[in-house]
Amino acid sequence: AQKITQTQPGMFVQEKEAVTLDCTYDTSDPSYGLFWYKQPSSGEMIFLIYQGSYDQQNATEGRYSLNFQKARKSANLVISASQLGDSAMYFCAMRGISYNTDKLIFGTGTRLQVFP
Amino acid sequence: DTAVSQTPKYLVTQMGNDKSIKCEQNLGHDTMYWYKQDSKKFLKIMFSYNNKELIINETVPNRFSPKSPDKAHLNLHINSLELGDSAVYFCASSPSFGTGDSYGYTFGSGTRLTVV
Repeated sequence: AQKITQTQPGMFVQEKEAVTLDCTYDTSDPSYGLFWYKQPSSGEMIFLIYQGSYDQQNATEGRYSLNFQKARKSANLVISASQLGDSAMYFCAMRGISYNTDKLIFGTGTRLQVFP
Repeated sequence: DTAVSQTPKYLVTQMGNDKSIKCEQNLGHDTMYWYKQDSKKFLKIMFSYNNKELIINETVPNRFSPKSPDKAHLNLHINSLELGDSAVYFCASSPSFGTGDSYGYTFGSGTRLTVV
């Protein structure tokens, strides 16, 4: 069965510092995708970054990077130069690539608070 | 133009009532989903449809009935509402796996359902 684990219910970071949000996963699918979503207090789900299981390089999108360690089954999100607007819930998710299991499985989320 | 739009944004209703939530996407995606986010922010898939065909039904009570008149629309009808149905319901869409680069899901803004 597929599973996503986020062990940090809450994280604090000072503005302009970097922060790492942890995510581990478990799957038997040979091919899969890993995602991070941001949910601010307004409630919408905002896609941040994607990593394919066969991608050789770690994904980056602006201040977001995904530290993908396949052997350890981890897909940590690194946010550099944190901003006050980064305060939100962050969800790690995984999509298995097979027809009957084509669904996005989410972790329990990490609430990030950025302070001045 | 909103990519995935769902209405209404807020829904307050009494126990026992029947209500519907509508969802439309203009991205040309083949697959649409309903997710439920509970009070602890946990996101869980309820249903998925691919080109109007039901693919996933995650042990959701029969009181919940999705309907997809075409691949751009996926509505959710809930009969005999219960207090425990109070949650935020998200509609989402994605390209079918095997198409597109990131297999990403695009989410609607959510419908906050409160049953009193």
